[in-house]
Amino acid sequence: KNQVEQSPQSLIILEGKNCTLQCNYTVSPFSNLRWYKQDTGRGPVSLTIMTFSENTKSNGRYTATLDADTKQSSLHITASQLSDSASYICVVLRTGGFKTIFGAGTRLFVKA
Amino acid sequence: NAGVTQTPKFQVLKTGQSMTLQCAQDMNHNSMYWYRQDPGMGLRLIYYSASEGTTDKGEVPNGYNVSRLNKREFSLRLESAAPSQTSVYFCASSEAWLAGGYEQYFGPGTRLTVT
Repeated sequence: KNQVEQSPQSLIILEGKNCTLQCNYTVSPFSNLRWYKQDTGRGPVSLTIMTFSENTKSNGRYTATLDADTKQSSLHITASQLSDSASYICVVLRTGGFKTIFGAGTRLFVKA
Repeated sequence: NAGVTQTPKFQVLKTGQSMTLQCAQDMNHNSMYWYRQDPGMGLRLIYYSASEGTTDKGEVPNGYNVSRLNKREFSLRLESAAPSQTSVYFCASSEAWLAGGYEQYFGPGTRLTVT
């Protein structure tokens, strides 16, 4: 069954600290993996898109990694800010179409 | 450049009522999508339109219909609302198919409650 599992479900960190969010997937055949940020009451916004051959991709303080062999991805946030408080969603696409499989997300709270 | 817009932002319906959720994009994108987001679950694809003139079922199409009115607009209709359709609905668009690595842009969502 095609699934995307994210951990932890929620996380609280202090402003300025780093954190890493995990995404494990069983989707096959794999096309690409995306990370989104979703602020409360808003639609998701794309952070990174990685294909099978990419190991790392950065977007400012956000760095995503992908291990296609173990079917794992992580999103590392450096020097967190209060505005990083949001849900972070991992999405995997199967080859050949439009059908996306979304993880349930990790809810991040950054405290001053 | 407004991106993806959705109307209404909030709606309360009684069981059995019908309504249409509207979505428009101004990025000249070919592909458009409707998702629903329920607490504790990932977004689920209801319907999508790969290009103007085509629509296809997603993961959870039962109880919904769609119309790709033109390249800009993609509407979602609930013919007879049920409490199980209480959810937040997101419209999205992309230049082309997502497996090709194209960015997907989401609207702000419509929060629907069916009593």
